[in-house]
Amino acid sequence: NAGVTQTPKFRILKIGQSMTLQCAQDMNHNYMYWYRQDPGMGLKLIYYSVGAGITDKGEVPNGYNVSRSTTEDFPLRLELAAPSQTSVYFCASSPQGNYGYTFGSGTRLTVV
Amino acid sequence: AQSVTQPDIHITVSEGASLELRCNYSYGATPYLFWYVQSPGQGLQLLLKYFSGDTLVQGIKGFEAEFKRSQSSFNLRKPSVHWSDAAEYFCAVESGGSYIPTFGRGTSLIVHP
Repeated sequence: NAGVTQTPKFRILKIGQSMTLQCAQDMNHNYMYWYRQDPGMGLKLIYYSVGAGITDKGEVPNGYNVSRSTTEDFPLRLELAAPSQTSVYFCASSPQGNYGYTFGSGTRLTVV
Repeated sequence: AQSVTQPDIHITVSEGASLELRCNYSYGATPYLFWYVQSPGQGLQLLLKYFSGDTLVQGIKGFEAEFKRSQSSFNLRKPSVHWSDAAEYFCAVESGGSYIPTFGRGTSLIVHP
């Protein structure tokens, strides 16, 4: 059971570069989420999706974009990377609301 | 708006001792409540959840939590801690009309041999 797969696990970006964080789930979950985790700050929601073709902003969407063309995939795009985007990024999925999440193992991103 | 407070940033216990991690929430109606565990370098794993019914819920890894409406609390407990329980623990609350949980800032559990 793969669950939620995130790639890459680690990445170093230079200021101004762009990249896509990949997230895929094989559980046929409708709901998918992107969070960032900073030390001592818990989890902040970036974007979420309740199904293919539907996305919405979370608490901290600035500097990020998402798309959801299939049920399985929910990539997160960083445009013009900034040092403030240095963080650990987690993708999560859920079959429905109020059910609890399955998390990926995270992508540790450093912007220098 | 819903909110979650985990009052303890760090908790240190000896192996074999009992454990209680505190979680208080703010929400008008009966919430959906969750506890997650995060081992170093890993994603979060769901330990247990409360939706309704019996206020004492059992989870994985020998953990349990009790929902107390009068105290707006959902504390996590384990009768005997193992060294492998050392991790970060997050409480989360979700309202019935939303599918976006609010997470607490986490409690770091340190286990001494």
